Amino acid sequence: GAGVSQSPRYKVAKRGQDVALRCDPISGHVSLFWYQQALGQGPEFLTYFQNEAQLDKSGLPSDRFFAERPEGSVSTLKIQRTQQEDSAVYLCASSLGLSDTQYFGPGTRLTVL
Amino acid sequence: QQQVKQSPQSLIVQKGGISIINCAYENTAFDYFPWYQQFPGKGPALLIAIRPDVSEKKEGRFTISFNKSAKQFSLHIMDSQPGDSATYFCAASNFGRGANNLFFGTGTRLTVIP
Repeated sequence: GAGVSQSPRYKVAKRGQDVALRCDPISGHVSLFWYQQALGQGPEFLTYFQNEAQLDKSGLPSDRFFAERPEGSVSTLKIQRTQQEDSAVYLCASSLGLSDTQYFGPGTRLTVL
Repeated sequence: QQQVKQSPQSLIVQKGGISIINCAYENTAFDYFPWYQQFPGKGPALLIAIRPDVSEKKEGRFTISFNKSAKQFSLHIMDSQPGDSATYFCAASNFGRGANNLFFGTGTRLTVIP
């Protein structure tokens, strides 16, 4: 079956612009996670959802970062007034339940100029 | 603060050799330890995972060794192949307390020479 898909795969933004990154989880997966992966580093947790409920957003680095999953399926990570330090790969993962294997998408590489 | 420390940063192994990657953690509440494999331009993919109630888990050429008292775990890749060349991440989580996010190590870039 189809895996986790993310779009766009690449995004270039000028500093100060707003961006929206989309994640389509595996069908039927209840849990959805967002991670940020800086160049040469491991992924770092941002936030996660169970269905439409955002249960933990402790990893969001600032109030410029906002995530939503209004219908419990597709999720959007929005970054307002992008800064150069926001440049990273943003990974989405989904799992059947909260304690099940997380399956990752290919990521969106964001470059802020 | 890095919750999971991983070494080495890079590793070069001859085809057929054994690749060993080590990780250490401090949080004794962690109860799930997966290893992920990542190829360039792709997301991480689960390789193998272990819970702290066992000391070793083997799946094909991949083995996790777990030392609870030392708070260390390692990945062994037997008969390493050029197709194993990738970046490997260890991770840990606290599923038992409902904390489901993964804490990743910094990664090991493995190169297997033909």
